[in-house]
Amino acid sequence: GQQLNQSPQSMFIQEGEDVSMNCTSSSIFNTWLWYKQDPGEGPVLLIALYKAGELTSNGRLTAQFGITRKDSFLNISASIPSDVGIYFCAGRYAGTASKLTFGTGTRLQVTL
Amino acid sequence: GAGVSQSPSNKVTEKGKDVELRCDPISGHTALYWYRQSLGQGLEFLIYFQGNSAPDKSGLPSDRFSAERTGGSVSTLTIQRTQQEDSAVYLCASSLGVGIGAQPQHFGDGTRLSIL
Repeated sequence: GQQLNQSPQSMFIQEGEDVSMNCTSSSIFNTWLWYKQDPGEGPVLLIALYKAGELTSNGRLTAQFGITRKDSFLNISASIPSDVGIYFCAGRYAGTASKLTFGTGTRLQVTL
Repeated sequence: GAGVSQSPSNKVTEKGKDVELRCDPISGHTALYWYRQSLGQGLEFLIYFQGNSAPDKSGLPSDRFSAERTGGSVSTLTIQRTQQEDSAVYLCASSLGVGIGAQPQHFGDGTRLSIL
């Protein structure tokens, strides 16, 4: 199935550092979502974006819906060990009312 | 319960056998989705339900895969004559509705299916 381009694939950072990851699509999206998945669990919603240019924060997390509607980024500030996990972007293409298309994930490792 | 519930959490079966995976969505959520996640990969859409009907089955990989939903609630994903490539985590999600501005999808913890 079709997937978004998500980068980087993995990151090793030190506690306290800021993290940035992004997703790009060749098609226009009308919704961008960011999820975090821990081992053995389902994805948990972090942030939902519904309008081009929208910038939304959830604690130390900030995400933006790109102006072109073809990209989105997620920033994590002052990372802590519990930020470890796999982060997925997901989007809903314009004209698709239902299914989400997922990125390939960014695996985040935080060292003390 | 408060979240999406899936059962079983793990299933190991022999190649060629049929399997049924169950999803119990969040109460009141009319939309239900099935996804498949292979090892180290993102999620791949399979099918979605609005109520008891399935307007989009485009992600089902073959006619061995089918799903149904009854009473606008519980859904069952059935895989017939399983193959080794069917091994994956099968995730279910639900949302209040569909369309632009629809509430985002909330996921269960999945069923890890292993075909020997």
